[in-house]
Amino acid sequence: IAGITQAPTSQILAAGRRMTLRCTQDMRHNAMYWYRQDLGLGLRLIHYSNTAGTTGKGEVPDGYSVSRANTDDFPLTLASAVPSQTSVYFCASSATGTGMVPGELFFGEGSRLTVL
Amino acid sequence: GNSVTQMEGPVTLSEEAFLTINCTYTATGYPSLFWYVQYPGEGLQLLLKATKADDKGSNKGFEATYRKETTSFHLEKGSVQVSDSAVYFCALRASGSARQLTFGSGTQLTVLP
Repeated sequence: IAGITQAPTSQILAAGRRMTLRCTQDMRHNAMYWYRQDLGLGLRLIHYSNTAGTTGKGEVPDGYSVSRANTDDFPLTLASAVPSQTSVYFCASSATGTGMVPGELFFGEGSRLTVL
Repeated sequence: GNSVTQMEGPVTLSEEAFLTINCTYTATGYPSLFWYVQYPGEGLQLLLKATKADDKGSNKGFEATYRKETTSFHLEKGSVQVSDSAVYFCALRASGSARQLTFGSGTQLTVLP
């Protein structure tokens, strides 16, 4: 089934460790996003990429970095994890073109990260 | 900047009850508006959308009308089912070239049999 695959699904991490959350899509969408979901705050955009080779900062980018070497992959890295980065992380993608709904995002199932 | 304010939850209803989840927004220009739904253990999925004033989005018995005069996009359903239990998010996409969405805080709906 086509879609977005995130890994790991769940991880417990010691503070100060480096962590990379993986995201792969097979829909050939040009835009990809990372959101974090926190209770009472909804989803907040961390970083995005409108096309391979470009990235941009979202609402809460501090402490995170991303890369977009190709269309399919969009990893999110926490260089030195802190407890406030405990959250559920969602990767999403979108595309434009005939038959596409402008603004429709397709989401992965999330990665639950706990930083102790 | 852009923002979305949603009715706070959680909301608990009996099966076949009428549902309203309020959503208001702040944005410049003419944003597109969306409702996304998140079932337990899953990612978000698009429920319905409206791209201009007075548009009505509908899907699976849910409806929402884009009201520019009140900057609102309230979600309604005439008769909820247990299977509608989920978290509902209102979101906007700003006019222009930006593709990313701004989400509200989400409303947890529980429907009891």
